Amino acid sequence: GNSVTQMEGPVTLSEEAFLTINCTYTATGYPSLFWYVQYPGEGLQLLLKATKADDKGSNKGFEATYRKETTSFHLEKGSVQVSDSAVYFCALSDLGGKGGATNKLIFGTGTLLAVQP
Amino acid sequence: ETGVTQTPRHLVMGMTNKKSLKCEQHLGHNAMYWYKQSAKKPLELMFVYNFKEQTENNSVPSRFSPECPNSSHLFLHLHTLQPEDSALYLCASSQDRVGRVRSEQYFGPGTRLTVT
Repeated sequence: GNSVTQMEGPVTLSEEAFLTINCTYTATGYPSLFWYVQYPGEGLQLLLKATKADDKGSNKGFEATYRKETTSFHLEKGSVQVSDSAVYFCALSDLGGKGGATNKLIFGTGTLLAVQP
Repeated sequence: ETGVTQTPRHLVMGMTNKKSLKCEQHLGHNAMYWYKQSAKKPLELMFVYNFKEQTENNSVPSRFSPECPNSSHLFLHLHTLQPEDSALYLCASSQDRVGRVRSEQYFGPGTRLTVT
């Protein structure tokens, strides 16, 4: 079945460092890919998305490119801030339910990012 | 209110209690979801509702009973829970069109449930 694999954390960086969180996926067909972020004590927020190969999603300085040839969707940011400290989830869309009518998200296990001042 | 709201935010209940979690979405979406988030485990999809019809039940024990009276409201009724059911329960919604590009889901803040 479809699956998502993320690098294990925690990732600890100093402020203004470059961030990469790796995400690879296994899927049949052409899923959409997402990055979600979860700040302490909160639910998940959509950070960015890409719906087809070679699409680049971007938001708040974060970027990720949908690479079909390497089945990857790595998250990057050029200069992290303390406020970026959170858990980051990579996810792909999948079909389920009756006749494939359900929009399911398959999540990775999450990567904790800790940014130190 | 905007987005997806959940109440209560925190709940402590005994194993013999009956309680309900409530979710409301203000986004005009047609699909709603319950997820369970436990420590050191991936998010687990529990139930999916599309236009008020349940389209997915991910082998969830019967002590969890969902209810979707309309496209904006989703409940999770709880009874005779076990301590291992303690977790963060997240609600989400999306606007789905069968056969089209899969849309993103919007999440509520979650209910932190502790079963004693």
